[in-house]
Amino acid sequence: GAVVSQHPSRVICKSGTSVKIECRSLDFQATTMFWYRQFPKQSLMLMATSNEGSKATYEQGVEKDKFLINHASLTLSTLTVTSAHPEDSSFYICSAKKSGPSNTEAFFGQGTRLTVV
Amino acid sequence: DAKTTQPPSMDCAEGRAANLPCNHSTISGNEYVYWYRQIHSQGPQYIIHGLKNNETNEMASLIITEDRKSSTLILPHATLRDTAVYYCIVRPLGGSNYKLTFGKGTLLTVNP
Repeated sequence: GAVVSQHPSRVICKSGTSVKIECRSLDFQATTMFWYRQFPKQSLMLMATSNEGSKATYEQGVEKDKFLINHASLTLSTLTVTSAHPEDSSFYICSAKKSGPSNTEAFFGQGTRLTVV
Repeated sequence: DAKTTQPPSMDCAEGRAANLPCNHSTISGNEYVYWYRQIHSQGPQYIIHGLKNNETNEMASLIITEDRKSSTLILPHATLRDTAVYYCIVRPLGGSNYKLTFGKGTLLTVNP
C-alpha cells in the first residue's frame, strides 16, 4: 500500500484562532486529495476535493472561506480551519489517490483530532 | 454513489470467519464495490474492491452475487485486531470523480 501522513495527530486551540493540518503522500504522487470530517459516532463526511495546482471543490454546506485548502504540490495538501469555534471540534481525515487513471483506491491518513476550547 | 445497506453491527469469534453482507440493489453497470474499514480513532484502510468476479487478496475475499445486487466481505480467520467499522461503497472505477461516500457501515466486534 501507500503511506499518507497527517500532522498534527492531535491539536488543541483556543476559540477564534486558526489551525493548519498537513496531509502528505510519502511514497507516491497524488494529483487529488480529499478532506473528510468525522463527528463522534458518525461516519466520515466529505468536505472538499483538493486538486494540485487548482482550487478545491467544496461539498454543499462546507464554507470555503472557513476551511481553506491548499494543494501546492503533488505530495502535500493543507487544510486551515480559520477562526475556529468549539463546534469545529472534530476528527479531520485526509485521503490521497495515486496519480494516473489506473489507480483508483484511496489511501487515508491517520487523522487529526481537533479540539477547540 | 449508489446507496448501500449494511447491518449496523456483527459479532464474530476469534479465529472464525467473519462474513459481512452488503446490499447495493441500485448498483449501475459501471460501478465497482469497494470495502474499507476504520479501526477506532484511525483513518480508514482500503481492503478490497471488485466488479462482478470474486476477488481475494491477503486481507480478505469479496463475493459478489451474479446479479451484483449484493456482496459479502469475508475475513477468513478473524483476529481481535479486525474489530472495526467496515464500510461497503459503490462507485465508478473510472471518470474524474474519485470521491468516496461513506455510509454508517458495520461495526464488527471480534470476541476472544
